[in-house]
Amino acid sequence: RKEVEQDPGPFNVPEGATVAFNCTYSNSASQSFFWYRQDCRKEPKLLMSVYSSGNEDGRFTAQLNRASQYISLLIRDSKLSDSATYLCVVITGSARQLTFGSGTQLTVLP
Amino acid sequence: EAGVTQSPTHLIKTRGQQVTLRCSPISGHTSVYWYQQALGLGLQFLLWYDEGEERNRGNFPPRFSGRQFPNYSSELNVNALELEDSALYLCASSGGPLNTEAFFGQGTRLTVV
Repeated sequence: RKEVEQDPGPFNVPEGATVAFNCTYSNSASQSFFWYRQDCRKEPKLLMSVYSSGNEDGRFTAQLNRASQYISLLIRDSKLSDSATYLCVVITGSARQLTFGSGTQLTVLP
Repeated sequence: EAGVTQSPTHLIKTRGQQVTLRCSPISGHTSVYWYQQALGLGLQFLLWYDEGEERNRGNFPPRFSGRQFPNYSSELNVNALELEDSALYLCASSGGPLNTEAFFGQGTRLTVV
């Protein structure tokens, strides 16, 4: 089993739709969680951290479920500019190793 | 504050050659990660260095190697290049006093012909 697994995608949604991605992690001792966004042929960039109580940034909501060991990203009112690959990242261990998921591709259609 | 810098940005090599890619982390970051991303594919973890030591290695052959210097900058070396090594090589750094998320450089785009 991979340490971090994401929805396989791709997700093709119309503008204005709500879309959700999940990401599961295998190590229950994982401490920190993030969502990154990667545009085509560019480097990944931090989208948002994921806090235990859940957090929101505009149209984006991130949630953490430690009991079931998954994190989620909800995008409301999708825009064309949201088209990208979304990667979840988990930090684990005293040395704080980063582990990336393989990414979920989102295409928002006009 | 300067971000993660990688050099060179683009590189063309022929099969069998060797290449060295360089990464300078954000000031104060002690961890450097290297990833390979072939066109249209996800990030493949190559190497992780922290405090000058190799902490973990991905599922790549030994001709992929690297090191981290006392100033925390890092090199990735690839020997005996093969066509399938053509990819975007990304470096990320993390750590420092808050030891939080990683930041990526813009990558080195390697083409092997």
